[in-house]
Amino acid sequence: QVQLLQSGAQMKKPGASVKVSCKASGYNFMAHYMHWIRQAPGRGLKWMGWINPITGGTNLAEGFQGRVTMTLNTATSTVYMELNRLTSDDTAVYFCARGENLWGHGTLITVSS
Amino acid sequence: AGLTQPPSVSKGLRETATLTCAGDSNNVANQGAAWLQQHQGHPPKLLSYRNNSRPSGISERFSASRSGTTASLTISGLQPEDEADYYCSAWDTSLNAWLFGGGSRLTVL
Repeated sequence: QVQLLQSGAQMKKPGASVKVSCKASGYNFMAHYMHWIRQAPGRGLKWMGWINPITGGTNLAEGFQGRVTMTLNTATSTVYMELNRLTSDDTAVYFCARGENLWGHGTLITVSS
Repeated sequence: AGLTQPPSVSKGLRETATLTCAGDSNNVANQGAAWLQQHQGHPPKLLSYRNNSRPSGISERFSASRSGTTASLTISGLQPEDEADYYCSAWDTSLNAWLFGGGSRLTVL
């Protein structure tokens, strides 16, 4: 079954870091870039960047450069997104997506003191 | 820069709704726009690829088109389950970024 399985919800304090995982299955992991998109409560979708599974290279959206790290483990077909220096504005559901046609279920990250 | 959608659209049951997405020459005009449907608490679901074709399993009631820098999604024979948020998306070659419109909330009266 073609799917993206994300890690569970987390609660973090301001200033902390969070790492979210996304495990791909059912397709050739190496053939597709993986994207991360976030959605704040009641807001729209915002693209954060992509990672190239062959090179590990990334392309991060403006506003996330310097605060987001995307990595991967090809042996387990898993990508990771780490976000540092969290603030309350980072409270959102974080999605991984293989383009528009395959999305993870989303991971809720809540930042609160 | 960006993709602009009307925040809300309301139509009656069994009527036809047309959602619009205004972009520019760096995104919609040269890359096309995809359309996504999102129900509360669920991930987005692809309704139309950037070339206006439908993925397998998507109803023929959903039809996408493009004219210049504006993309449109037409939903015919509106059903209660069509009530959702709809997003357009496109790759922007100038920004080298994947853009999303702000979303249109469709209400079926």
